[in-house]
Amino acid sequence: QKEVEQDPGPLSVPEGAIVSLNCTYSNSAFQYFMWYRQYSRKGPELLMYTYSSGNKEDGRFTAQVDKSSKYISLFIRDSQPSDSATYLCARVDSSYKLIFGSGTRLLVRP
Amino acid sequence: EPEVTQTPSHQVTQMGQEVILRCVPISNHLYFYWYRQILGQKVEFLVSFYNNEISEKSEIFDDQFSVERPDGSNFTLKIRSTKLEDSAMYFCASSAQDSNQPQHFGDGTRLSIL
Repeated sequence: QKEVEQDPGPLSVPEGAIVSLNCTYSNSAFQYFMWYRQYSRKGPELLMYTYSSGNKEDGRFTAQVDKSSKYISLFIRDSQPSDSATYLCARVDSSYKLIFGSGTRLLVRP
Repeated sequence: EPEVTQTPSHQVTQMGQEVILRCVPISNHLYFYWYRQILGQKVEFLVSFYNNEISEKSEIFDDQFSVERPDGSNFTLKIRSTKLEDSAMYFCASSAQDSNQPQHFGDGTRLSIL
C-alpha cells in the first residue's frame, strides 16, 4: 500500500493560471505534512508545512489539508514560468522521517 | 538564508570502491538525515541521526552504509563497497533543535557507479 500518492503529471498551464496540486495519504497516525519544490538536478526546497486541517497561506501559495478524506492540496495563484518544477508532498511519520509522494511535474507556459 | 551544502556535486566511482559523501548541515540544527532518489523514482529515506547516533534506518541502509559526524560541522555518508544499484542522487537534510520542525535539504550528490 502506497503511503503518499500523487499524480505524476505533467500538468501544463498558461502563465497566470491557478494551479491545484493534490496528494492523498493512507496513514493518519501522525498528521504533519510538507510541500517541497524540486527543480531539475536540485534538492527539494521547502515551500510550506502544516500540522492541522484547514488552510495555510504564504504569498501565492496555499496549503490545504482535509483529514476526513486524507487529501492534501497545494494551490499556486498567478502562476509564473519560474514555478515550473516538480512538486513533492511528504508526510512526516511518527519517527520524523519524511514519506514522499512521487511528485507532480508542473509546466507553466509563458 | 542558511542552507545545507553537499560535496561533491557529482561522484563517479568504480563498482566495489568506497565512497564518502559529505554534508554541512545548517549550523544550529541537531537532527540530520540522508535520503536518496534513484532516477525517476521517489525520494526515499535512508537514515536519521541525532546526538551522535543513528535514530532510525531504512531497509536500504544495510551494513555497507555508515554515517558519521566527525566534527561539529560535517555529516558524512559512507558506502563501503559500492554496487551498480547505488547509483542515485543522495540528499542530506537537517532540522532544528525540535525534531518536529521541517527538514531542509541540500542540492544533493549525484553518485554514478560504473
